[in-house]
Amino acid sequence: SAVISQKPSRDICQRGTSLTIQCQVDSQVTMMFWYRQQPGQSLTLIATANQGSEATYESGFVIDKFPISRPNLTFSTLTVSNMSPEDSSIYLCSVEDWQDQETQYFGPGTRLLVL
Amino acid sequence: AQKVTQAQTEISVVEKEDVTLDCVYETRDTTYYLFWYKQPPSGELVFLIRRNSFDEQNEISGRYSWNFQKSTSSFNFTITASQVVDSAVYFCALSEAVSGSRLTFGEGTQLTVNP
Repeated sequence: SAVISQKPSRDICQRGTSLTIQCQVDSQVTMMFWYRQQPGQSLTLIATANQGSEATYESGFVIDKFPISRPNLTFSTLTVSNMSPEDSSIYLCSVEDWQDQETQYFGPGTRLLVL
Repeated sequence: AQKVTQAQTEISVVEKEDVTLDCVYETRDTTYYLFWYKQPPSGELVFLIRRNSFDEQNEISGRYSWNFQKSTSSFNFTITASQVVDSAVYFCALSEAVSGSRLTFGEGTQLTVNP
């Protein structure tokens, strides 16, 4: 399976600021996904990012709040904009396995705390 | 709409006990995929298994086994002879062929294995 890394692994931010999270994959993948996991809760899909097209956002998530870039087949960024304490979560990126495109593998996650 | 229910919020067992984690799903699609992921305290999400809707064969991998029953819309996960390292949150997830790779997660089951 693909090896996925995320930066930063964790951060503490002040409300009103923005944070950009990076996701790097060691192989080319078509689809990348961004999920949010609020404290003690399950994972919720934020958006799907395909290279060369606009990200597709799920209900309840908007581009102004969570802009996503996908400049190539191995890299994506998610920005959490104008943060509030409610944005404190783990943010995870995932990719479809190139051999088994029905299975998603996840990065280690970025733990974000907003004060 | 797709939905995954993990009714067991927390389970606590003593080492070497067998434990079964329940997962019940809802979908209108005839082609779908079921998954189990493990999330240890470090936070990363580890893929355990994928099953497609046309394959009801049970699967065994070491101490892990999975029982997929379409008649009851269940995909249960059993750990035999549990170990302390099995302590984690376990998520069941579903994706439908019609909605692409969008994963819907259950709420997760926190498994604690005590020595």
